[in-house]
Amino acid sequence: GENVEQHPSTLSVQEGDSAVIKCTYSDSASNYFPWYKQELGKRPQLIIDIRSNVGEKKDQRIAVTLNKTAKHFSLHITETQPEDSAVYFCAATPMDSSYKLIFGSGTRLLVRP
Amino acid sequence: DSGVTQTPKHLITATGQRVTLRCSPRSGDLSVYWYQQSLDQGLQFLIQYYNGEERAKGNILERFSAQQFPDLHSELNLSSLELGDSALYFCASSAYGNSYNSPLHFGNGTRLTVT
Repeated sequence: GENVEQHPSTLSVQEGDSAVIKCTYSDSASNYFPWYKQELGKRPQLIIDIRSNVGEKKDQRIAVTLNKTAKHFSLHITETQPEDSAVYFCAATPMDSSYKLIFGSGTRLLVRP
Repeated sequence: DSGVTQTPKHLITATGQRVTLRCSPRSGDLSVYWYQQSLDQGLQFLIQYYNGEERAKGNILERFSAQQFPDLHSELNLSSLELGDSALYFCASSAYGNSYNSPLHFGNGTRLTVT
């Protein structure tokens, strides 16, 4: 089945710097890759997603890139702000008979003021 | 507010007991997903229902069961509870049975504590 690995597990950056979180997936047929942000004690919230027919997608300060050949995708946050501090999860949808979303282990991002 | 409603918010119970977690999906969503999040852990997929039928199964223990009712709300039943079952249980819903076409929206979760 699909396996999603996420790195780093923790990331600390200075306010205003950029942050990059990387994920790799095992099922080459996976076609949908969302990113969720989870603030402490709250629910995961979708922040951006990308489908396999697109290489890059941007939404204001966040962007996601996808390399299908290497089977990895990344989240880029520019001009980080303290409110960006949270746990970020990547996920992938395998193209088998199931429809589940498989999540990475999460990255705890800390933006230092 | 995601529109996904989970009750109760908190549940404290003893080992060996049985509990039921309830989820109401967003209006119009046909699919419900259950995930388990242990302390400082990721989101482990348990089970998915689409329009009343089981669609996909993850690493769900035999002590756990779920169903989706005709009104599309879902219940997750946890029995013979163990200390290790303590976790945050999230329900998510999507419009269709495939997350590719309809992103998942999560509820606020039920925090289960087994003592």
